[in-house]
This record gives sequence, structure tokens and C-alpha cells, in this order.
Amino acid sequence: EDKVVQSPLSLVVHEGDTVTLNCSYEVTNFRSLLWYKQEKKAPTFLFMLTSSGIEKKSGRLSSILDKKELFSILNITATQTGDSAVYLCAVEGYNNNDMRFGAGTRLTVKP
Amino acid sequence: DAGVIQSPRHEVTEMGQEVTLRCKPISGHNSLFWYRQTMMRGLELLIYFNNNVPIDDSGMPEDRFSAKMPNASFSTLKIQPSEPRDSAVYFCASSLAGSKQYFGPGTRLTVT
Repeated sequence: EDKVVQSPLSLVVHEGDTVTLNCSYEVTNFRSLLWYKQEKKAPTFLFMLTSSGIEKKSGRLSSILDKKELFSILNITATQTGDSAVYLCAVEGYNNNDMRFGAGTRLTVKP
Repeated sequence: DAGVIQSPRHEVTEMGQEVTLRCKPISGHNSLFWYRQTMMRGLELLIYFNNNVPIDDSGMPEDRFSAKMPNASFSTLKIQPSEPRDSAVYFCASSLAGSKQYFGPGTRLTVT
């Protein structure tokens, strides 16, 4: 059965810290892995990863995929209180277009 | 672009009543997804459509739930009869040809 596991489930840091969020997966015919940020509303898209070893970067956020070991990490450097959110990892397979979401990592950044 | 539009944003209803949630996907997108999010179960896919055709409804909890997409710009998710355990936030998302999904603001449903 396809599954997506995120860790840690919850993380509390102080502004300026760097955090690494993890996502491991098992999915039939992997197509892509996506990261979303969810605050008190709908998830918003961060990254889509399809190839191993190629880092995607957007400001202080970056992400990389390892298709051999079946995981991805999301890094946030110099965290700010505005980074506080639940970060969701989702995986798509080629068999269909649906996505399986992980439980999310709740990140709290304290001033 | 207005993004994915959902209505209503909030719905409070009594057990046994029929509930209809509505979604307008982003114009030009050909895939539409309905999700349910709860604290206990996280974000779950209920059903999705490709080119207005339901592809996978294995996530629909039971026969009380039904979804339709009569045209490319409109979809509904209906719960009849509703139960307190259906209380959740229901998200609609759309995408183009399997690319990233864009989520609507969600409908917060409370069934008392």
C-alpha cells in the first residue's frame, strides 16, 4: 500500500534556526513529490520534485529528492515566525493522478 | 486568475440534513480533486475527476457521499444524510494535466 511518512510530527525552534523536515515514501510507479505549506487555510504549493539530486530553491527554502532511498527533505534556513505552519509532503504515482499526503510536520518558530 | 473557488466557506447544519459543497476550478484545468481534512486523519483524497469524468472514488467514505462534475467549471460534493462525524474542512483542488494542484480556500463543515 502506498504511504507517505513525515518526521518529525512537530518541531519548535527559535528565529534564525535552520530546520530540516523529512518525508519518506512508498508508492507504486513514483511520478513526483510535492511540498505544501499550510497555515490556517488551504495548502499552498512550495516545490515539485521529480528527479533525484537536483535541489529546488526558493529564498530560504530548499528541497531535494532521493529516489533511491525514497525520501525528500525540506530545509528552511534563518527561520522566521512567518514560517510557522504545517508542512505537508505529498506523492504522486503514474498509475493515477491522485496524491497521497503525509500527516504533516507542524513547525513553530518562536521569536 | 481568481484561483479555485469554493462555497460556502462555512456550513453549520443538523444531523440528517443534506449538505452540498461547491467548487469552481481554475479555468483551463482538467483535473479536479475533493479532499477532507480532520485533525485525526489529516488530508484525505475523497474523489477526483479528469476531464469531468470521475476516475477514483475509492476515498469516498460511504454511500452518503456523492460527487458530480457536470461541466469543466463546476463540481459538487453532496452528503446526504449528514452526520456529526462528517464535520471537517473540505478542500477542492484543480490541476492541469497532472501538474501541481492548486487548492481552494476550503469549506468548514460542522454537523451538530
